[in-house]
Amino acid sequence: QKEVEQNSGPLSVPEGAIASLNCTYSDRGSQSFFWYRQYSGKSPELIMFIYSNGDKEDGRFTAQLNKASQYVSLLIRDSQPSDSATYLCAVNNRGKLIFGQGTELSVKP
Amino acid sequence: GAVVSQHPSWVICKSGTSVKIECRSLDFQATTMFWYRQFPKQSLMLMATSNEGSKATYEQGVEKDKFLINHASLTLSTLTVTSAHPEDSSFYICSADRYEQYFGPGTRLTVT
Repeated sequence: QKEVEQNSGPLSVPEGAIASLNCTYSDRGSQSFFWYRQYSGKSPELIMFIYSNGDKEDGRFTAQLNKASQYVSLLIRDSQPSDSATYLCAVNNRGKLIFGQGTELSVKP
Repeated sequence: GAVVSQHPSWVICKSGTSVKIECRSLDFQATTMFWYRQFPKQSLMLMATSNEGSKATYEQGVEKDKFLINHASLTLSTLTVTSAHPEDSSFYICSADRYEQYFGPGTRLTVT
């Protein structure tokens, strides 16, 4: 079992829709969780981090964490074509980031 | 703030030669830096953790004699790929730790 798992996609949504990205992790002791966006050929950029159970909102982005289910998700509201990228879920494991394989998102105009 | 640079941004080298990649934290000091490798269509894989003034800690399966890491100061870590082979061609990304990890722009290495 991989430590951090994501559906590789591609996930295709129409412009203006909500994109839902999911991630599960295996280490129940993990405390902090991150979502990164990576455009092709570029390095990842941090979108959000979340430490506590529940929702955390930042603009069009909402991260959701459920530690009991070992599940973290990212919702993107009002998706734009510029949101088309690969989204990486990462879990902090004793100071090291463990990345999922990423979900490719395509937002169609 | 929290800017991390890498140099070079891309490099092409011949098989058997060595290549050095620099990672600098421009506006903060980082006692810990990380080196990742990313193959096409794959995720980032942590190669090693670089600590200023001490030896790097390598992840399982990463050859420490092939990937030499030197963290000479609080703002600079270098990764040297020794005796590079075509299978070492990849996207190498560093990050510097300051409450969270800040990533450099990456270095595209192509070994011919």
